[in-house]
Amino acid sequence: GAGVSQTPSNKVTEKGKYVELRCDPISGHTALYWYRQSLGQGPEFLIYFQGTGAADDSGLPNDRFFAVRPEGSVSTLKIQRTERGDSAVYLCASSLAGGLNEQFFGPGTRLTVL
Amino acid sequence: SQQGEEDPQALSIQEGENATMNCSYKTSINNLQWYRQNSGRGLVHLILIRSNEREKHSGRLRVTLDTSKKSSSLLITASRAADTASYFCATPDSNYQLIWGAGTKLIIKP
Repeated sequence: GAGVSQTPSNKVTEKGKYVELRCDPISGHTALYWYRQSLGQGPEFLIYFQGTGAADDSGLPNDRFFAVRPEGSVSTLKIQRTERGDSAVYLCASSLAGGLNEQFFGPGTRLTVL
Repeated sequence: SQQGEEDPQALSIQEGENATMNCSYKTSINNLQWYRQNSGRGLVHLILIRSNEREKHSGRLRVTLDTSKKSSSLLITASRAADTASYFCATPDSNYQLIWGAGTKLIIKP
């Protein structure tokens, strides 16, 4: 079946603008994760959903970042008042049931804040 | 925060040679996972080794785990140009979130 998809693949925005990044997980996967990856670094955990609820949002850097998953499938990561330091690749992953199950990653969205 | 630290940071070898990458971590773990990331593409899960395992194989990949030294190694035998990628180790924390190292960039020269 289809893997995890993310849109857009690239997003360029200006400082101060609002952006939304979308993730379509693998069908049937109840767990969904958002990560952020800066150049030359490993991914950094942002938030984890189990179903519709955010089970762990401890990785969100500040209150400008917010994510939703209203129907337990597609998730949207929202960034308000973007800053240049938000520039990174935002990765989404899903897994069958969370916990220690293998995570399947999407190709990421490259966000550039000018 | 990063749990794993890979070394070397970069590795360049000839096609056909073996490539070895190492990962060290700080806290006790349930398992350790290795992922590959090709340029411009997402992360692909390669292999998972549990804390009670010492060695695991998958095709040309061999992973070892030494919990006493808090380290793991990934060996790729008979390397191919398609193995050129960045390789990351990751371990789940107490909340099951994966904590990642900075990765090893592997270049296979034809």
